[in-house]
Amino acid sequence: GAVVSQHPSWVICKSGTSVKIECRSLDFQATTMFWYRQFPKQSLMLMATSNEGSKATYEQGVEKDKFLINHASLTLSTLTVTSAHPEDSSFYICSARDTGLRGGLGYTFGSGTRLTVV
Amino acid sequence: QKEVEQNSGPLSVPEGAIASLNCTYSDRGSQSFFWYRQYSGKSPELIMFIYSNGDKEDGRFTAQLNKASQYVSLLIRDSQPSDSATYLCAVNMGPGGFKTIFGAGTRLFVKA
Repeated sequence: GAVVSQHPSWVICKSGTSVKIECRSLDFQATTMFWYRQFPKQSLMLMATSNEGSKATYEQGVEKDKFLINHASLTLSTLTVTSAHPEDSSFYICSARDTGLRGGLGYTFGSGTRLTVV
Repeated sequence: QKEVEQNSGPLSVPEGAIASLNCTYSDRGSQSFFWYRQYSGKSPELIMFIYSNGDKEDGRFTAQLNKASQYVSLLIRDSQPSDSATYLCAVNMGPGGFKTIFGAGTRLFVKA
């Protein structure tokens, strides 16, 4: 089945630094990828939709200059948390849509990245 | 009104019982509905998807969809302790149904 690889699985960084998270579709092409954030005991919150070859679409309240998304190829999307602060500490998860499959079968999640900003 | 609503629980059932999880959604035009299971610290994993009104069965799981009532549910038969997790209801919304919106999840505990 479709596999999405997400790296790193966890990262600890100092406040003020930037962190890049990668999301790769391993066996399919993903024209669209989604980035979610999940705080403890809360549900996944959609942050942005990443579109190959064009600008990402951000959800209301998500700062596009802080969460930089690049989807330069059909198999790779990156999320960069710039000038990270402790309140950015969260579980970040990407998902990709396999355009070769019907509807919901196309959504596969990465394993997530636990970001801790100290 | 939240786009996808679930009872946060926790829902506690004895081993072998039926667990019933419910979800309502706001977008009447939604066509695709999903149930995901998420263990603590892990990513969600897809359990079932349903597109048409009625019931859909897969092993011990049955998804039920009622578009008129904007309601979708998940039944887990013969619940096992390993079923203890948070169950997320998700609905595809927006133009083309490309955005997946998640409910807050229902925590399920299956007591041995």
